[in-house]
Amino acid sequence: AQSVTQLGSHVSVSEGALVLLRCNYSSSVPPYLFWYVQYPNQGLQLLLKYTTGATLVKGINGFEAEFKKSETSFHLTKPSAHMSDAAEYFCAVSRNTGTASKLTFGTGTRLQVTL
Amino acid sequence: GAVVSQHPSRVICKSGTSVKIECRSLDFQATTMFWYRQFPKQSLMLMATSNEGSKATYEQGVEKDKFLINHASLTLSTLTVTSAHPEDSSFYICSAPFREGLDLNEQFFGPGTRLTVL
Repeated sequence: AQSVTQLGSHVSVSEGALVLLRCNYSSSVPPYLFWYVQYPNQGLQLLLKYTTGATLVKGINGFEAEFKKSETSFHLTKPSAHMSDAAEYFCAVSRNTGTASKLTFGTGTRLQVTL
Repeated sequence: GAVVSQHPSRVICKSGTSVKIECRSLDFQATTMFWYRQFPKQSLMLMATSNEGSKATYEQGVEKDKFLINHASLTLSTLTVTSAHPEDSSFYICSAPFREGLDLNEQFFGPGTRLTVL
């Protein structure tokens, strides 16, 4: 079974400050890991993903995440927050079972960016 | 990237009526699609896996007679909420996996459908 834990349901940062959203996973097989962003009343947009290879993954909008197997973590970071980054962020894990694979989502972290 | 659409984006219905939500893969074929439900300020909960040409696979606790899924073609899956009640009010999101190159595990999400049952 797989699971995802996102520490902190709500994170508030000042504009220009570092963004750190935490994600820990549990998986019995090598995981595929994802971060998605959701704006109000919209679907999910993929920020970045880790499948294999380099453990530091760069995504869109200046976000990046590092896969740390020893810590079973995949924290999302951005050096400098923008007001437009305010949204809900979901970490997700899946198994490599081919072209179609279920995603297990964390409970989400709402990012607030203040002036 | 691949595009997934949903229709309608928002629907309000009376209690007891049925509502159909469509999920379409616009520029690729999807033999499998996923249906999620999201309550306010909560995470996505997988409801079922829609399979083209065969029956959908429902997650534990999801009533298959309540949430009818039909995968009519390689680009269309529909979710019908039958005899809707206020507790069925939620945000329904579909997704479809798309294989781009060697990437086997990326899913593309529709924009969601907001269902309100009065």
